[in-house]
Amino acid sequence: DIQMTQSPSSLSASVGDRVSITCRASQTISTYLNWYQQRAGKAPELLIYAASTLQSGVPSRFSGGGSGTDFTLTISSLQPEDFATYFCQQSFSTPFTFGPGTKVDIK
Amino acid sequence: QLQLQESGPGLVKPSETLSLTCTVSGGSISSSSYYWAWIRQPPGKGLEWIGNISYSGSTYYNPSLKSRVTISVDTSNNQFSLNLSSVTAADTAVYSCARGAGIDYYYMDAWGQGTTVTVSS
Repeated sequence: DIQMTQSPSSLSASVGDRVSITCRASQTISTYLNWYQQRAGKAPELLIYAASTLQSGVPSRFSGGGSGTDFTLTISSLQPEDFATYFCQQSFSTPFTFGPGTKVDIK
Repeated sequence: QLQLQESGPGLVKPSETLSLTCTVSGGSISSSSYYWAWIRQPPGKGLEWIGNISYSGSTYYNPSLKSRVTISVDTSNNQFSLNLSSVTAADTAVYSCARGAGIDYYYMDAWGQGTTVTVSS
């Protein structure tokens, strides 16, 4: 199985801050990488697929990049509704696997 | 707008079979463009993909669970289901259903809220 790691596991930031989260795969996965946001008590929502393609309806302050084994999710200007947990997931091969999550909370 | 809703018992006894249903509304489960997935998250742990099914019944399971998992689809009721046999406490988790999409790149673009299942006598 492909192991996914994320860093940091949590971070504190203020509204308006630029925030970056890193996801690393245990082997190369090209750009088969998705990012999800999960607010407390809510279902996960797809933010980005294929490493850098913004899902329809997702604000443009979210962006993704990377290929191979290293990927980044960036929020250019953190908004109050962005305080949540973010997961990466590889779809290069089954079983599909997820990162452990990065919790973004208010400083 | 597509919605998915999980339903089933919140408490299952050890060695019994966990059975959950996901009801899809706002869209057809019979579309050839999508897969239908189950994912779980044990307390304090990460997300685990359990498996997928297509509208035609083709299934893909996580090898770690394959011997105990069955996913089926009921197109007449726009539902799909998860059966997990011989459960233990390790199967205690929040179980979520989701829609899988994409041709070259697979992703899950709609999720249910999740339902908590506890395995305990």
